[in-house]
Amino acid sequence: EVQLLESGGGLVQPGGSLRLSCAASGFVFNSYAMSWVRQAPGKGPEWVSGISGDGLSIYSADSVKGRFTISRDNSKNTLYLQMNSLRAEDTAVYYCAKGVEYFWTGLFDPWGQGTLVTVSS
Amino acid sequence: DIQMTQSPSSLSASVGDRVTITCRASQSINRYLNWYQQKPGKAPKLLIDAASSLQSGVPSRFSGSGSGTDFTLTISSLQPEDFATYYCQESYSTPYTFGQGTKLEIK
Repeated sequence: EVQLLESGGGLVQPGGSLRLSCAASGFVFNSYAMSWVRQAPGKGPEWVSGISGDGLSIYSADSVKGRFTISRDNSKNTLYLQMNSLRAEDTAVYYCAKGVEYFWTGLFDPWGQGTLVTVSS
Repeated sequence: DIQMTQSPSSLSASVGDRVTITCRASQSINRYLNWYQQKPGKAPKLLIDAASSLQSGVPSRFSGSGSGTDFTLTISSLQPEDFATYYCQESYSTPYTFGQGTKLEIK
């Protein structure tokens, strides 16, 4: 069974930083693209960032480009999201999601339980 | 970016009803359309991909149709566990936009 367990969320001041982690199990981690998808309160999900199975191809949404960095450690079966220069509009539940192929295809299945990031002074 | 518009935004229905949710893309996306179900406090779950392909384990009362710009999700006979929020999402081009959601509530 695929399991994705996020951690690292919390309350941070505007301009601050956080690092999210996602521990994966139940599948061959380095064979699949992974993504971070966020969902602000009362809104639809938004794909934030994706990374290929080997970690060499990366996508970042315009809304986070230059501030967020996705990475993965295939030896630890772990996905990361380094978030810098956080803004109030980054407040959301952040989900780790498994792709269905080596590169991202826009399909996310399954998702982790999510970790809440709140940006507020 | 492709915009995805769902209607209605909320819907009240009873157990046993047949319900249809509509999703419209701002440009043609062929059949690159997916549906997710989200229950309160839980992560979204993929129900249907490629407009009509039911994921393993999803009950056959769920069905999807459409191509181009107009798509529908139909639940043939609502069950208590189906009351949730449903999102459509295009996987035609990045940033793989989601709709704003349709909240299905018990009448």
